[in-house]
Amino acid sequence: AAGVIQSPRHLIKEKRETATLKCYPIPRHDTVYWYQQGPGQDPQFLISFYEKMQSDKGSIPDRFSAQQFSDYHSELNMSSLELGDSALYFCASSPPKGSGANVLTFGAGSRLTVL
Amino acid sequence: DQQVKQNSPSLSVQEGRISILNCDYTNSMFDYFLWYKKYPAEGPTFLISISSIKDKNEDGRFTVFLNKSAKHLSLHIVPSQPGDSAVYFCAGMEYGNKLVFGAGTILRVKS
Repeated sequence: AAGVIQSPRHLIKEKRETATLKCYPIPRHDTVYWYQQGPGQDPQFLISFYEKMQSDKGSIPDRFSAQQFSDYHSELNMSSLELGDSALYFCASSPPKGSGANVLTFGAGSRLTVL
Repeated sequence: DQQVKQNSPSLSVQEGRISILNCDYTNSMFDYFLWYKKYPAEGPTFLISISSIKDKNEDGRFTVFLNKSAKHLSLHIVPSQPGDSAVYFCAGMEYGNKLVFGAGTILRVKS
């Protein structure tokens, strides 16, 4: 079965650079979520999109932005990178409401290292 | 303010015995609770969930119990297997399907 695909899996950037992470949800899933997991921490919700519109916002810094495109894939753009942005970034998707499955399926994550 | 707490950072269990992972929450608005399992270098994998209107859900070796009055849930794994060794995250689901995770518990099943 198709899963949530994230790219790149690993990314190394310098401080003040920009990074873009991509997420391809499971086909027919209409909602995408981004989570950030710092070293030794639990995953923290950043932002979500439903039908290409931002549906909820969590602890996402102003330096970050995200969008969902017409093919439902999503991109997380991070600018002016700081050392503290080094983390695992997970994308998840969920099926339409009423489909009976109230579960988020996560991708394998993108590990960002800021030097 | 941590809405979901997993107070045991780690748990070690002998193969074949029961593993019990605990989770406490403070947000009464959670309408679903989910358990995810995570291996190193992989994303969280969904394990089992429970609706806030139920007190038990069972799926094979995995059972989740919910005590709403105590705002407590637990995951039981019986019998535990070495392949169950992973980090287990408890999560509460808010309106909009947003998950709030606990800090995770590392389970080690010894053979």
